[in-house]
Amino acid sequence: GAVVSQHPSRVICKSGTSVKIECRSLDFQATTMFWYRQFPKQSLMLMATSNEGSKATYEQGVEKDKFLINHASLTLSTLTVTSAHPEDSSFYICSARDPPAGGRMNTEAFFGQGTRLTVV
Amino acid sequence: RKEVEQDPGPFNVPEGATVAFNCTYSNSASQSFFWYRQDCRKEPKLLMSVYSSGNEDGRFTAQLNRASQYISLLIRDSKLSDSATYLCVVGGDRRTSYGKLTFGQGTILTVHP
Repeated sequence: GAVVSQHPSRVICKSGTSVKIECRSLDFQATTMFWYRQFPKQSLMLMATSNEGSKATYEQGVEKDKFLINHASLTLSTLTVTSAHPEDSSFYICSARDPPAGGRMNTEAFFGQGTRLTVV
Repeated sequence: RKEVEQDPGPFNVPEGATVAFNCTYSNSASQSFFWYRQDCRKEPKLLMSVYSSGNEDGRFTAQLNRASQYISLLIRDSKLSDSATYLCVVGGDRRTSYGKLTFGQGTILTVHP
């Protein structure tokens, strides 16, 4: 089946530095990828929708200048957390779905392995 | 009101028990429905899609009631390995971004010996 690969799986960085997270679709082309954030004991919250070749769409309350998204190819989207602070420590996870066949809406979403970011 | 709302849980059941999870969603135009399972500190993985006619996969049965905007998951003969967080997930309607999924807050299930 389709696989989404996310890297790195874990990163510890100093406050004020930037961290880049990569998300790749390995055997399908994803014109759209999704970035989620999950705080402990909470559910996944959509941060933004990454669109290949165009600007990302951010959810309300998510700062686009802080969370930079680049989707330069059909298989790669990157999320950069700029000037990270301890409150940005979280589990970041990307997702993509195989484009629908025949208009089916219930195709599986595949998730990357997630990146656990700790800002100290 | 949350877009996708689940039973608060947690559920603590003995092996062999039957357990049911409920979920409601607010967007009547939603087109796709799923149950995902998430193990601690891991990414979510699809357990099953949910169809209007209801569907079963081994010990797992999912039901969808579009009129009530209600989704359920029934687990029969619980195993220790079923311990996880179960996420009710609803997919966007055709007018919005195709792949966008909205997650419920999750229900923690612990199956004990």
